[in-house]
Order: sequence, then structure tokens, then C-alpha cells
Amino acid sequence: EDQVTQSPEALRLQEGESSSLNCSYTVSGLRGLFWYRQDPGKGPEFLFTLYSAGEEKEKERLKATLTKKESFLHITAPKPEDSATYLCAVQEAAGNNRKLIWGLGTSLAVNP
Amino acid sequence: EAGVTQFPSHSVIEKGQTVTLRCDPISGHDNLYWYRRVMGKEIKFLLHFVKESKQDESGMPNNRFLAERTGGTYSTLKVQPAELEDSGVYFCASSQTSRGNEQFFGPGTRLTVL
Repeated sequence: EDQVTQSPEALRLQEGESSSLNCSYTVSGLRGLFWYRQDPGKGPEFLFTLYSAGEEKEKERLKATLTKKESFLHITAPKPEDSATYLCAVQEAAGNNRKLIWGLGTSLAVNP
Repeated sequence: EAGVTQFPSHSVIEKGQTVTLRCDPISGHDNLYWYRRVMGKEIKFLLHFVKESKQDESGMPNNRFLAERTGGTYSTLKVQPAELEDSGVYFCASSQTSRGNEQFFGPGTRLTVL
């Protein structure tokens, strides 16, 4: 069964303290791995799509990487505005399947 | 470009009543998805439309849920009759096939069944 596990569940950082969030997945064949950011009371906001092992993508202080079993979201010198829940989801490569299978997320708090 | 919109933002109903949620996707997006997040659990897929056709409805919990997408534009999700376990946040997302797999989400409708 396809599964996504994110760790840690919660993370508290000081401003400027870099860290990484983990997303491990089990899927028959991976079409794509997606990272989203979610603020309280809002819908998930798209950040990155990764398609193959070794791929990396960057956006401002965020960098996402992918291996055959997991993905990391690296946050460099975070700011308080980076505080949010970060969600990981996978899409199985099967026919016309487009559904996303989600992890529970990592709740990130960055203190000034 | 306007994002995905959902209406209402909140709905509180009694068990046994009917509720209809609406989603307006990003203009031109042929794919429309419904997801649900129950408190303490991960977001779960409900169904996927391509234009007006149901591509995948494997996540629909039971026949009390009915989704439609009129003319391949907006979509409605009706719950009839509502049960306590239907409470949660219902998200709608859309994507455009020709521009990759990225799904863009609306703000969600928080449904509370009392």
C-alpha cells in the first residue's frame, strides 16, 4: 500500500538556524513527489515537484531533494515567515492516476 | 490569475441534513480534484474530474457523497444525509494537463456535522 511518512511531526527553530524535514515514501512507481506549504486556515500552497532520484529544486531559502525512498526539504537560515506546516505528497505512476497521497506534515515554528 | 475558490468557507449542519459544497477551479484547468482532511489525519483523495467526466472516484467514502462538474467548469460536492464522521475540511484543487502535474488548492470548506 502506498504510504507517506513525514518527520519530525513538529520542529521549532531559531531564526537563522538551518534544518531539514524528511519525507519517506512507499509507492509502486513514482510519477512525482510534491512539497506544499500550508498556513493556518488556508489550503496547501504548491512549492516543488520532484520526478526522479537525484533531482533538486530550490526556491528562496528552501531546497528539495529526492532519493528512491525519501525526500528532504532543507531550510537555510529560516525566518519567522517560514513558519507553517510543510506537507509532502506522492503521485503513483499508474495509468491516468493523478491522485495525491499525503503525509501528515511537519509543523515548523521559527522564533525571531 | 484568480486562484481556486470554494464556497462556503464554513458550514455547520445537523446530522441528517444535506450540504452542497462548491468549487470554482482556475480558469482553463481541465482537471479538478476533491480532497478531505479529517482532524488528526492526513489529507485524503476523494475524486478526480477531467473536464466533466469522473476519471477516478476511488476515494469517495460511500453513496451519500455525490460530485458533479457541470460543463467542465465548476464542481459541486453534495453530502446527503450528512453523518458526524463527515466533519472535516474539504479541499478542491485544479490542474492543467498540458502544464504538468502540479495541483493548486483552494482555501477549503470546513464542514461541521452536529
